[in-house]
Amino acid sequence: AQSVAQPEDQVNVAEGNPLTVKCTYSVSGNPYLFWYVQYPNRGLQFLLKYITGDNLVKGSYGFEAEFNKSQTSFHLKKPSALVSDSALYFCAVSVPGTYKYIFGTGTRLKVLA
Amino acid sequence: KAGVTQTPRYLIKTRGQQVTLSCSPISGHRSVSWYQQTPGQGLQFLFEYFSETQRNKGNFPGRFSGRQFSNSRSEMNVSTLELGDSALYLCASSSPTANYGYTFGSGTRLTVV
Repeated sequence: AQSVAQPEDQVNVAEGNPLTVKCTYSVSGNPYLFWYVQYPNRGLQFLLKYITGDNLVKGSYGFEAEFNKSQTSFHLKKPSALVSDSALYFCAVSVPGTYKYIFGTGTRLKVLA
Repeated sequence: KAGVTQTPRYLIKTRGQQVTLSCSPISGHRSVSWYQQTPGQGLQFLFEYFSETQRNKGNFPGRFSGRQFSNSRSEMNVSTLELGDSALYLCASSSPTANYGYTFGSGTRLTVV
């Protein structure tokens, strides 16, 4: 079965420290990979995507993600966390031709002042 | 430009009733997808429409249905509501396909009592 895993329900990090939110996937073919962020009582906001090319993808709000094909991972990173980054983060894959995403279960990021 | 608009934002219904949710995509976006978000199940794919045609459907009972109009606006309907249908229903539009990333609406919070 195709799946996306976010192994950490919550990640705590001090403001100013680097952060990593992990994502691995098990999907056939060459999926497209995405990160979204959700603030309370809101829909999801697009952060970044990997389709092809450079394994390091830069996105909105200073976030970046590293694609690793051999490890089937797509971890989200930021060099210096802000309190305002505290939110729920979702990794997703889109399998070409299926017209749908498979989402991970989400990781709550808490940045402590 | 205007984002994805979902109406209503909040809805309270009684078990056994039916409900219709509406989604207006970003102008020019012809693909509209629906997802159900619950704390226990995360984000689950309901269906995707493109040019008034349903191209994919998730694993939901037949009580869940949708349609898309010629102006790309979409509606989803849930009949014979059950308590377990309480969720945040998210609509997302994309162009030309979801492989390029979704823009999500703020969602409709449905509570079934």
